[in-house]
Amino acid sequence: GENVEQHPSTLSVQEGDSAVIKCTYSDSASNYFPWYKQELGKGPQLIIDIRSNVGEKKDQRIAVTLNKTAKHFSLHITETQPEDSAVYFCAASLYTSGTYKYIFGTGTRLKVLA
Amino acid sequence: DVKVTQSSRYLVKRTGEKVFLECVQDMDHENMFWYRQDPGLGLRLIYFSYDVKMKEKGDIPEGYSVSREKKERFSLILESASTNQTSMYLCASSYLQGRNEQFFGPGTRLTVL
Repeated sequence: GENVEQHPSTLSVQEGDSAVIKCTYSDSASNYFPWYKQELGKGPQLIIDIRSNVGEKKDQRIAVTLNKTAKHFSLHITETQPEDSAVYFCAASLYTSGTYKYIFGTGTRLKVLA
Repeated sequence: DVKVTQSSRYLVKRTGEKVFLECVQDMDHENMFWYRQDPGLGLRLIYFSYDVKMKEKGDIPEGYSVSREKKERFSLILESASTNQTSMYLCASSYLQGRNEQFFGPGTRLTVL
């Protein structure tokens, strides 16, 4: 079945620096790749997503890149701020049993140091 | 705003007890999901449902069952709770067609003693 590896598990950056989180997936049939942010005491919330027919997508300070050949996708956060501190999850999505089923990575705890 | 609510934020149960975790969504979503979240393991899918009375096993269904009698409500049942089921449980919902975004509830932290 699908497997998603996520690195690093923890990441500390100085405020204003960039942060990069990387994921690798195994099933070439996956065609949708969302990124979720989970703040303390809350459920994960979608922050950006990308489909397999697109190589890059940006939304203000965050961007996601996808390399289908290598089965890699990455989250880039520029000009980090303390409120970016959270746990980030990548996922790869497969269409099965009439719906999209996510396989999540193991998460990255990002700390932005003021 | 989409709202997914879970019946309890914290729950403490004893080994062998039957446990019900309830999830309600208000966006008329067809799909509903139950995940468990453990440190270093991420989110793992237990069960999902794409319609009333329909259910599909996820990656770790053993020891769990589910019920979906109404479109807005999806229940996770632990028939006989065990200590290895101590975890954070997250419910999510999404539309069947179109955008794939899953909307998550705040989670229930279950401790089984």
